[in-house]
Amino acid sequence: IAGITQAPTSQILAAGRRMTLRCTQDMRHNAMYWYRQDLGLGLRLIHYSNTAGTTGKGEVPDGYSVSRANTDDFPLTLASAVPSQTSVYFCASSDSSGSNNEQFFGPGTRLTVL
Amino acid sequence: GQNIDQPTEMTATEGAIVQINCTYQTSGFNGLFWYQQHAGEAPTFLSYNVLDGLEEKGRFSSFLSRSKGYSYLLLKELQMKDSASYLCAAMDSNYQLIWGAGTKLIIKP
Repeated sequence: IAGITQAPTSQILAAGRRMTLRCTQDMRHNAMYWYRQDLGLGLRLIHYSNTAGTTGKGEVPDGYSVSRANTDDFPLTLASAVPSQTSVYFCASSDSSGSNNEQFFGPGTRLTVL
Repeated sequence: GQNIDQPTEMTATEGAIVQINCTYQTSGFNGLFWYQQHAGEAPTFLSYNVLDGLEEKGRFSSFLSRSKGYSYLLLKELQMKDSASYLCAAMDSNYQLIWGAGTKLIIKP
């Protein structure tokens, strides 16, 4: 697949439902990230993982959980969706052993919570 | 606190030059990134500066002054396809990126 993929592309979800956004990369990057992007605001970090088996909280972690069972996959779960979680979600990865920690982004998931 | 400031929107003419400024305030500093984001698409990497000075890459250049907490992205010979949002992000002491809200660049013929 050569890069980073996300699924689904878009989703409309009823409030209170559980939802998992999927993210897979094939670049063998050790670090992965989940961001949300809202109009007028910068990308905000939800959760990150510096290496398989470890995760950390970002700026806006409440209502979200992640897991990193292996290098390639980094799913984001909304346990009980609320309308304020309506946003575009981007997954990213980076090779933190590199010289500049450039982050590569997936195509995004547009989520609407009603 | 940590903060990134950049203009919300700029307009320029095809073929001209435009400079997009960014000021940052972070806990520690490990470099300044510029990304381009077309509407409805993912951000893509443009440049990275960690030392003071100008980095040139084709029509795009990026400048950094660490003492002033200031960077700019310079786009030359503007083309219609350069219409996009340009995101400034600073890497803090934890190697996390702090992002500005982005500058929407409108190119007019």
